[in-house]
Amino acid sequence: DTAVSQTPKYLVTQMGNDKSIKCEQNLGHDTMYWYKQDSKKFLKIMFSYNNKELIINETVPNRFSPKSPDKAHLNLHINSLELGDSAVYFCASSPLAGGPSIQYFGAGTRLSVL
Amino acid sequence: AQKITQTQPGMFVQEKEAVTLDCTYDTSDQSYGLFWYKQPSSGEMIFLIYQGSYDEQNATEGRYSLNFQKARKSANLVISASQLGDSAMYFCAMREGMEYGNKLVFGAGTILRVKS
Repeated sequence: DTAVSQTPKYLVTQMGNDKSIKCEQNLGHDTMYWYKQDSKKFLKIMFSYNNKELIINETVPNRFSPKSPDKAHLNLHINSLELGDSAVYFCASSPLAGGPSIQYFGAGTRLSVL
Repeated sequence: AQKITQTQPGMFVQEKEAVTLDCTYDTSDQSYGLFWYKQPSSGEMIFLIYQGSYDEQNATEGRYSLNFQKARKSANLVISASQLGDSAMYFCAMREGMEYGNKLVFGAGTILRVKS
């Protein structure tokens, strides 16, 4: 059983299109995240949700819209895709508070915008 | 200013030897957490080890240990008895106080190659 699962694993699309990436966790965690890893492998937080409520929006363009229908799911919708959006997008989840609050990551979605 | 600095872009180690991957951090918080993740060529991010700022003992997890030197703000990862499967990118990350929303700030990573 995969703890944090993302679909699709690969996404190739044209500039200007709209696409979504889905994420689900079965760990019972309260908090979910989206991170972006650029071509230099640098990882940066994009969003964080706690129990369906947005708690971090790290100056991401508003073409990116996260949606959390319940605390086990956090989807990422991207409008009007640009070349610079090409990256690997990781979903993660953790307990919010108490203890180390370790974040567990999904396998990543490699987005290529042509 | 960089919050997490990994000064070694790449490292080589002979199989069965130990290797230390460096990480220094910058925070004014008293409460924070330090993490190491492994990213093999397949791309997933695998949690390895955690050290809390108030933990007095260095964290250990199997062949991984964290050399935590709080005064020097360093949290180096030590991998003992390296194996070929340890070849990967390794990231150091920090979580500051809860007012930052629990986000992780990552270093640039170190690529480790284990030679047979």
